[in-house]
Amino acid sequence: KQEVTQIPAALSVPEGENLVLNCSFTDSAIYNLQWFRQDPGKGLTSLLLIQSSQREQTSGRLNASLDKSSGRSTLYIAASQPGDSATYLCAVTTGTASKLTFGTGTRLQVTL
Amino acid sequence: NAGVTQTPKFRILKIGQSMTLQCTQDMNHNYMYWYRQDPGMGLKLIYYSVGAGITDKGEVPNGYNVSRSTTEDFPLRLELAAPSQTSVYFCASKGGHPNEKLFFGSGTQLSVL
Repeated sequence: KQEVTQIPAALSVPEGENLVLNCSFTDSAIYNLQWFRQDPGKGLTSLLLIQSSQREQTSGRLNASLDKSSGRSTLYIAASQPGDSATYLCAVTTGTASKLTFGTGTRLQVTL
Repeated sequence: NAGVTQTPKFRILKIGQSMTLQCTQDMNHNYMYWYRQDPGMGLKLIYYSVGAGITDKGEVPNGYNVSRSTTEDFPLRLELAAPSQTSVYFCASKGGHPNEKLFFGSGTQLSVL
């Protein structure tokens, strides 16, 4: 059974810092890995999707990497801003019907 | 585009009552999913559908039922509500290729008292 773990569970950083969020998964037979953002009381928004054949994806200040063989992914956020405060979840897609298995998320707070 | 629309946003039920959570998408997606999210936990898959007329159980299907009569709609039915079903429910959809992104609705916060 696929299990996805995210460390740390919570993180507080001052504005302007660069930071890294971690995600690990137990079964490397994945189609892709997605990073999502969730604001309080809202649904999830997909930020980046890395296909299993790719090593990284970038969008603006966000860069996600994937090491499928070791079962790890990182989300790098450059020059953090208070607007980046949210919960970040990773999820891997496996099997038929493209089912996603989610981690429990990292709650990020960027302070002024 | 509306994307994935869920109704209602909030609901309080008494133990033993039943209700249907509505979900509709306007992106012509074949795949639709229902998840529940409990505090401090990741999302757990309740039911999913790969197309109209086809549904299947996820990790935590007990106490729920679904139907998929059209591509657009995927309602979730709670029968005989129990306090353990207090949660936030999310509907999501995606296209048929595995590498397409998943789109979520804004969620339904359900309390069973």
